[in-house]
Amino acid sequence: AQKITQTQPGMFVQEKEAVTLDCTYDTSDPSYGLFWYKQPSSGEMIFLIYQGSYDQQNATEGRYSLNFQKARKSANLVISASQLGDSAMYFCAMREDDDYKLSFGAGTTVTVRA
Amino acid sequence: NAGVTQTPKFRILKIGQSMTLQCAQDMNHNYMYWYRQDPGMGLKLIYYSVGAGITDKGEVPNGYNVSRSTTEDFPLRLELAAPSQTSVYFCASRVDGASLEQYFGPGTRLTVT
Repeated sequence: AQKITQTQPGMFVQEKEAVTLDCTYDTSDPSYGLFWYKQPSSGEMIFLIYQGSYDQQNATEGRYSLNFQKARKSANLVISASQLGDSAMYFCAMREDDDYKLSFGAGTTVTVRA
Repeated sequence: NAGVTQTPKFRILKIGQSMTLQCAQDMNHNYMYWYRQDPGMGLKLIYYSVGAGITDKGEVPNGYNVSRSTTEDFPLRLELAAPSQTSVYFCASRVDGASLEQYFGPGTRLTVT
């Protein structure tokens, strides 16, 4: 079964606007962590933000915030004030309790328009 | 720190050839991983290691082998390359601690023809 689902293969956003990237996950572990990575066209993987399952508040890192809805098993990434440099593929990933590994979603391509 | 380094950056192999993808990290991380990324797809775990001398299979280990004789190095061996192994290969590492992210190398783009 798919552990991480990203249903939006591609999105367009206007510069300076906000964009929300969807991520739903499937786990029966009470302890888990959720990660978002950015992959620009150059190919490297860049860590953006982390949310732990027991964290009381939604994670934020600069223009990135994570809308964590535990009951719905969703961990959507919000990018505020989009910039041209935000054009990239974005991956949601999950680590389950007592597991050393990350499971990745298929990714969402974001294109920021001037 | 150089972080996670991978060599080569690009390689073309003929069907049936073998090669080793090199990965090294200078951050003293115990955990190391090999992923492959097929075009337009997410990353799939091939093998991982939780410390020197310890390796384990990931989601897609067939056709690959690894070794971890030192903390720093985690080479990935392809035996009898097949076109299905055409992919971008990423090595990653992280320190102990569940909330800590994995650091990725720049990737190796492999084509098998």
